[in-house]
Amino acid sequence: GAVVSQHPSWVICKSGTSVKIECRSLDFQATTMFWYRQFPKQSLMLMATSNEGSKATYEQGVEKDKFLINHASLTLSTLTVTSAHPEDSSFYICSARTEFGYTFGSGTRLTVV
Amino acid sequence: GQQLNQSPQSMFIQEGEDVSMNCTSSSIFNTWLWYKQDPGEGPVLLIALYKAGELTSNGRLTAQFGITRKDSFLNISASIPSDVGIYFCAGQLGSGAGSYQLTFGKGTKLSVIP
Repeated sequence: GAVVSQHPSWVICKSGTSVKIECRSLDFQATTMFWYRQFPKQSLMLMATSNEGSKATYEQGVEKDKFLINHASLTLSTLTVTSAHPEDSSFYICSARTEFGYTFGSGTRLTVV
Repeated sequence: GQQLNQSPQSMFIQEGEDVSMNCTSSSIFNTWLWYKQDPGEGPVLLIALYKAGELTSNGRLTAQFGITRKDSFLNISASIPSDVGIYFCAGQLGSGAGSYQLTFGKGTKLSVIP
């Protein structure tokens, strides 16, 4: 149980466009989801905490207008990277808190060209 | 904020050898978690520790929650090629503002030589 489905697995987009990443809890309700960014050979860095029905809480240094988070239901949270630039290229991972601990999605590799 | 020091950063071992890695923190955590991440995938939970002093096993993996609540170690016995990957420790405060957030170590990259 406690599966988190994240897609797309990878996406390539042109600079200046926006990209939406979805994270779904398949067999449980996720009141809170977390969004991480991971650069090559580095650890996971928390970007924001997404709460169902309320505004997300962003970590220091993360631009909330650039990384739009929507958590409109108990099973879906989305991260939209707006006006993407090459420096936004990274591996984005979502996570949800469950009774078993924290379950992670499989990640989205974003490449901005 | 909290910081986790994870060591070693990387290790190369022969198949069949035992492996040990650890994490230390300047802050107290109420939960320690150990994850494994394969390339291009999200982290997968290996072991969760909830009490100081707790020693928990999962197959060939054993992890302990330090008595001071500022450290944890993970041991892998009789390593096999599929143990290759990056292992992360993560701590959770468990109380107060931001208590459900995880703080991650920088990871230990494990390579197993057949």
